[in-house]
Amino acid sequence: DGGITQSPKYLFRKEGQNVTLSCEQNLNHDAMYWYRQDPGQGLRLIYYSQIVNDFQKGDIAEGYSVSREKKESFPLTVTSAQKNPTAFYLCASSSGQVLETQYFGPGTRLLVL
Amino acid sequence: AQKVTQAQTEISVVEKEDVTLDCVYETRDTTYYLFWYKQPPSGELVFLIRRNSFDEQNEISGRYSWNFQKSTSSFNFTITASQVVDSAVYFCALRNFMNSGYSTLTFGKGTMLLVSP
Repeated sequence: DGGITQSPKYLFRKEGQNVTLSCEQNLNHDAMYWYRQDPGQGLRLIYYSQIVNDFQKGDIAEGYSVSREKKESFPLTVTSAQKNPTAFYLCASSSGQVLETQYFGPGTRLLVL
Repeated sequence: AQKVTQAQTEISVVEKEDVTLDCVYETRDTTYYLFWYKQPPSGELVFLIRRNSFDEQNEISGRYSWNFQKSTSSFNFTITASQVVDSAVYFCALRNFMNSGYSTLTFGKGTMLLVSP
């Protein structure tokens, strides 16, 4: 089945620790995105990538880093510089064409211990 | 700047009632795209519809219908004869065209719909 997978479903971070959220897609999509969702805040864009080895900062990139070494994968690292990382993180992908629609993965919930 | 406003934070209805979720957008683009997504309690966003700005024809899909009005910058979503399974958070989104040539989405804050039996 084609789709987007995110792992883990739940992730716990200790103070000062970097953690990496996985996002994989087998839709052959060129573009991939990371969003953060806080209660009552909707979705805010962290990073996005239209092609391999290229990515752009979104609205709230501080404290996060990404890589795009493969078309299928777009991992997000939440660094210790992100002081309030507790949130629900959603990965999405799209074809990158003009009439693109973004399709979303099941999400990862990050909690700070 | 692009902006999407969903003024209704939460709506509660009883099963079989009709319900309309409002979405108002702001954009300077002459061509733009609007979207609706559903987020059930499981968390995954489910795509419902995409609408481009040069097609103002309203759309119906089963119990779902969408009313796009450029004159009022609105793209409202109506569920007819609501069911408990419709309980979810619904997001309206506007596609952004970036100077880099790429595009992203601007989301509203969502409307939580609670349908009780």
